[in-house]
Amino acid sequence: GENVEQHPSTLSVQEGDSAVIKCTYSDSASNYFPWYKQELGKRPQLIIDIRSNVGEKKDQRIAVTLNKTAKHFSLHITETQPEDSAVYFCAARAAGNKLTFGGGTRVLVKP
Amino acid sequence: GAVVSQHPSRVICKSGTSVKIECRSLDFQATTMFWYRQFPKQSLMLMATSNEGSKATYEQGVEKDKFLINHASLTLSTLTVTSAHPEDSSFYICSARGDPYEQYFGPGTRLTVT
Repeated sequence: GENVEQHPSTLSVQEGDSAVIKCTYSDSASNYFPWYKQELGKRPQLIIDIRSNVGEKKDQRIAVTLNKTAKHFSLHITETQPEDSAVYFCAARAAGNKLTFGGGTRVLVKP
Repeated sequence: GAVVSQHPSRVICKSGTSVKIECRSLDFQATTMFWYRQFPKQSLMLMATSNEGSKATYEQGVEKDKFLINHASLTLSTLTVTSAHPEDSSFYICSARGDPYEQYFGPGTRLTVT
């Protein structure tokens, strides 16, 4: 089955700096890669996703890149703000299959 | 995005009793629903996948007789924790998928078994 590794497990950045979270996956058939943000005690919220037919996608301060050959994808948050503090999860899924989540990254943005 | 509701948001029950959690997709038809369990500071662990009108598929290590899942319609799935014990205390989150790709999560149910 699919295995998703996520690094780092914790990330502390100064407000205004960039944050980068990296994930690797094992199943070459995976074609959908969402990123979720989860605040304490709340549901995971889909913040951006990418499908395997594109290499990069951007939405305002958030971008995701995908390298299918190396089987890794990354989340980039620019100009971080205190409200970006949360736990971020990457996930991967092959068509019709279940999502497999990474272990999560706890991001702390220091004002 | 699509809206998924979950009820109750919190429940406290006594050891040995059963608890039912409902998950509803409010503005779309969910062909597939998923049930996850999340322990503090950990990732989401998939418990089972359910498709409307068919039996749920449970992940390895999840007892199907303890965690009963019913997906009776395209907008409702229920998880019943039977004979709950303190070790079943956790945050239970459902998720629904209508679109072939996107998956939306409910707000979660915090279960405490005393």
